[in-house]
Amino acid sequence: DVKVTQSSRYLVKRTGEKVFLECVQDMDHENMFWYRQDPGLGLRLIYFSYDVKMKEKGDIPEGYSVSREKKERFSLILESASTNQTSMYLCASSLSLNEQFFGPGTRLTVL
Amino acid sequence: QKEVEQDPGPLSVPEGAIVSLNCTYSNSAFQYFMWYRQYSRKGPELLMYTYSSGNKEDGRFTAQVDKSSKYISLFIRDSQPSDSATYLCAMTMNRDDKIIFGKGTRLHILP
Repeated sequence: DVKVTQSSRYLVKRTGEKVFLECVQDMDHENMFWYRQDPGLGLRLIYFSYDVKMKEKGDIPEGYSVSREKKERFSLILESASTNQTSMYLCASSLSLNEQFFGPGTRLTVL
Repeated sequence: QKEVEQDPGPLSVPEGAIVSLNCTYSNSAFQYFMWYRQYSRKGPELLMYTYSSGNKEDGRFTAQVDKSSKYISLFIRDSQPSDSATYLCAMTMNRDDKIIFGKGTRLHILP
C-alpha cells in the first residue's frame, strides 16, 4: 500500500510566522502535490512537483512556496502566515498525474 | 458554467438502500474519471477509476460514465453506516494532466 505521511495532524500558528508542512511518501512516486481544502470550495491545488527540484504552480500559489530536495519529500512553506491560510492542507503523490494517493491532512489554524 | 458540478448534500439514506451519487461536467475532453471517498478528518482515498464511457464494478460499488451526457455516477449497493463519508468525483483529460475535483457530496447512512 502507498503510504503518504504528513508531519502534523493539527497545527496552530500566529499571524506572520513562517510555517513548514512536511510530506513524505514511500512508493518512489515521481509526482507530489499540495492542496488545500475548504468548506464550499473543495480541493484547490497549490503547487505540484514532477521531479526532484522541480515545481509547478497550481491554481492558488500566492502566499506559498515549496521545496523538493529529495524524491520522497515535498515541503510546503508559508512564508508569513495569515488568517486566510487557515485550512486543511493535503499532500498527495502519484506515478501519473491522476491516481493520486493522499496523506491524512494537516489542519492548520492561523491566529 | 463550472467545470465539474457535484451536489454537496448532505444525502441521508437508510442502511441497506442503494445510493446514487452524481457529477456533471462541461469539458467533453475529459476521459479519465475517478471517485474518492473521504472520511471525516482524513485524506481522500481513491475508490474507483474508469476510462471513457461504460461501467466498472468493484464489490458493492459501481462507477458509471455517460460521456454523451457528460454525467458520471457512483452507485453503492447494500449501503452500510461505514459508507458514511464525503464522496468526491474527479476527472482529467489524459493520464498526465491535472485532476479537476468536484466539491464532494456528504453521505450519511442511517442505521
